[in-house]
Amino acid sequence: DAGITQSPRHKVTETGTPVTLRCHQTENHRYMYWYRQDPGHGLRLIHYSYGVKDTDKGEVSDGYSVSRSKTEDFLLTLESATSSQTSVYFCAISESRGGAVDTQYFGPGTRLTVL
Amino acid sequence: AQSVTQLGSHVSVSEGALVLLRCNYSSSVPPYLFWYVQYPNQGLQLLLKYTSAATLVKGINGFEAEFKKSETSFHLTKPSAHMSDAAEYFCAVSGGSSNTGKLIFGQGTTLQVKP
Repeated sequence: DAGITQSPRHKVTETGTPVTLRCHQTENHRYMYWYRQDPGHGLRLIHYSYGVKDTDKGEVSDGYSVSRSKTEDFLLTLESATSSQTSVYFCAISESRGGAVDTQYFGPGTRLTVL
Repeated sequence: AQSVTQLGSHVSVSEGALVLLRCNYSSSVPPYLFWYVQYPNQGLQLLLKYTSAATLVKGINGFEAEFKKSETSFHLTKPSAHMSDAAEYFCAVSGGSSNTGKLIFGQGTTLQVKP
């Protein structure tokens, strides 16, 4: 299994509070991604990173920000959590192979509930 | 733009029967295609991938998929279902030579295996 951990694994918070989720990898992969999983929607990309301090938006980035100050850590922040952000959040990593970005490997997920 | 459609949110088969999970994609560039499996309360695990080599791809646990460009399909099959195959399955596409590796996921198909 790829060395990816996510913390916390479960969190319950209240509307309006800030929340930060952490993804940590030990594979030294260049690319890191945050997805959210909701029933009927599969997984949707929130933000991704293609290097230290290099990030970009995905398809559902509103209300989320990210930071990557080290290769191994990718943080996802909900500045002011809303009930619509109740979801399961997955981190993934990948690396380039032959000039193209290869398979993504996923962490165990964080279940976030916003009351 | 890319998209993935998985036909059937729930598929039920008897143990020992053929498993067929359908995936159709659209992509403006030569795609990379993936099938992932998710067991309850776990992250996603790669089953197999197509990256422009052989069109018939074999994966783990006896699964295989065939890339059919003319039909824009990448259906997942297994000749004989086991109880342990019960899980949710996701088809995903990325833009092949893309330098970001961003994945677009289908909505997922839950496979039920009946004794």
